[in-house]
Amino acid sequence: AQTVTQSQPEMSVQEAETVTLSCTYDTSESDYYLFWYKQPPSRQMILVIRQEAYKQQNATENRFSVNFQKAAKSFSLKISDSQLGDAAMYFCAYRTLGGGATNKLIFGTGTLLAVQP
Amino acid sequence: DADVTQTPRNRITKTGKRIMLECSQTKGHDRMYWYRQDPGLGLRLIYYSFDVKDINKGEISDGYSVSRQAQAKFSLSLESAIPNQTALYFCATSDVSAPNEQFFGPGTRLTVL
Repeated sequence: AQTVTQSQPEMSVQEAETVTLSCTYDTSESDYYLFWYKQPPSRQMILVIRQEAYKQQNATENRFSVNFQKAAKSFSLKISDSQLGDAAMYFCAYRTLGGGATNKLIFGTGTLLAVQP
Repeated sequence: DADVTQTPRNRITKTGKRIMLECSQTKGHDRMYWYRQDPGLGLRLIYYSFDVKDINKGEISDGYSVSRQAQAKFSLSLESAIPNQTALYFCATSDVSAPNEQFFGPGTRLTVL
């Protein structure tokens, strides 16, 4: 069974600085998707960024980028120029790619990011 | 207007009561999901449905049941609520043509006393 591990329960960053959130996963599959979701105090789950395992190029969305290391099964999120609005819980998630898959997301336990002014 | 809505947003109930959480979506997606979020555990899948006639158990379905009344509606029921079902519940949707993105509702915070 696939598992997702986020080893940093809490992180803190100064406004305008850069922070990296860690995520590792375990799977025997070769094709899959990885995601980072943001959950602000409003509780809404917001998709931040997505990475297809078959793509070697790291995904980027504005100030958010990932460092995807397939062999190491590592998927970290880098937030550049941190803003106060980035303060939230961040979840790493995994999804199987193959046909007949449930499409279910397997989530890590989350990292609570605080942004200091 | 929100694409995925959940009612109620907050609910307090007593042990043994039956309770229903409702989810509606205007995205036209065929796939719907119910997740439960507990502190320190992330989100876990309770049930999922790929269309009106398709219902599947997730990893923590015991104590829960669901109904897919229409493509746009997916309800989660607790037949006899117990305190350890106190949690934040999320409904999500995805489209068969783009299954890799799930859209979440705002969540329902349920407290069972």
